[in-house]
Amino acid sequence: DQQVKQNSPSLSVQEGRISILNCDYTNSMFDYFLWYKKYPAEGPTFLISISSIKDKNEDGRFTVFLNKSAKHLSLHIVPSQPGDSAVYFCAASGTSNYQLIWGAGTKLIIKP
Amino acid sequence: GAGVSQSPSNKVTEKGKDVELRCDPISGHTALYWYRQRLGQGLEFLIYFQGNSAPDKSGLPSDRFSAERTGESVSTLTIQRTQQEDSAVYLCASSISQGGQPQHFGDGTRLSIL
Repeated sequence: DQQVKQNSPSLSVQEGRISILNCDYTNSMFDYFLWYKKYPAEGPTFLISISSIKDKNEDGRFTVFLNKSAKHLSLHIVPSQPGDSAVYFCAASGTSNYQLIWGAGTKLIIKP
Repeated sequence: GAGVSQSPSNKVTEKGKDVELRCDPISGHTALYWYRQRLGQGLEFLIYFQGNSAPDKSGLPSDRFSAERTGESVSTLTIQRTQQEDSAVYLCASSISQGGQPQHFGDGTRLSIL
C-alpha cells in the first residue's frame, strides 16, 4: 500500500517556464512534508518542506503548496532552469515519527 | 567535507558473500538512518539509530541484515549471505535529533550481487 504517490514518472518543461510536480498521500496522520532532489549517482538533497499547519511555503524559485483536504501537495519551480533537471521525491512524516515515507519520484527534464 | 560520507561507493560481490557498508554522519547529528532504493522506486526505510541505539529495526528485510553504530558516529550495515534481490543503492542519512528534519543524505553505496 503506497502511502505517498507521485503519479507522473517523468515531466518535460521548457526552460524559463513553470514546472509543477505533484504528490498525493493517503495517511491523514502525516503532518510534515518534504521535497528532495536527486541527481544520478548522488544522494537526495533537501529542497523545501512544509508543515501541515501551513498551506504554502516559498524559498526562492521553489514553492510548495499543501491541500490537506485533498491530501495533495505540489512543488512549483519558477522559472525552470537546466540545472533543475533531476529526479524529485516527495516524502512525508508525522512530527512524532522520524520515519520518512517516500514517493517513487518524478524525473524532471528541462528543455533548452 | 562536512556532509554524510558513505563507503564504498560501489560494491560488486558474488551471491552468498557477506558485505559491510559504512556511513559517517554529519558531526553532531544524533540520529542516523539507513534506506534502500531499488531501481525506479522510492526509498525504503531499513533502520534508525538514536545515538548508538536502534529503536526501530522494523524495516530490515530479513535476519541477514544487521546494523550497528558506535561512538554516536560511524554506522555499519552488514548483509550476510547476499542474494541477488539485495542489489540496490543503500543510502545513509543523518539528522540533528530524533524526529528532526530534514534528513541529510550521503551519496549511497551501489551494491550489485552477481
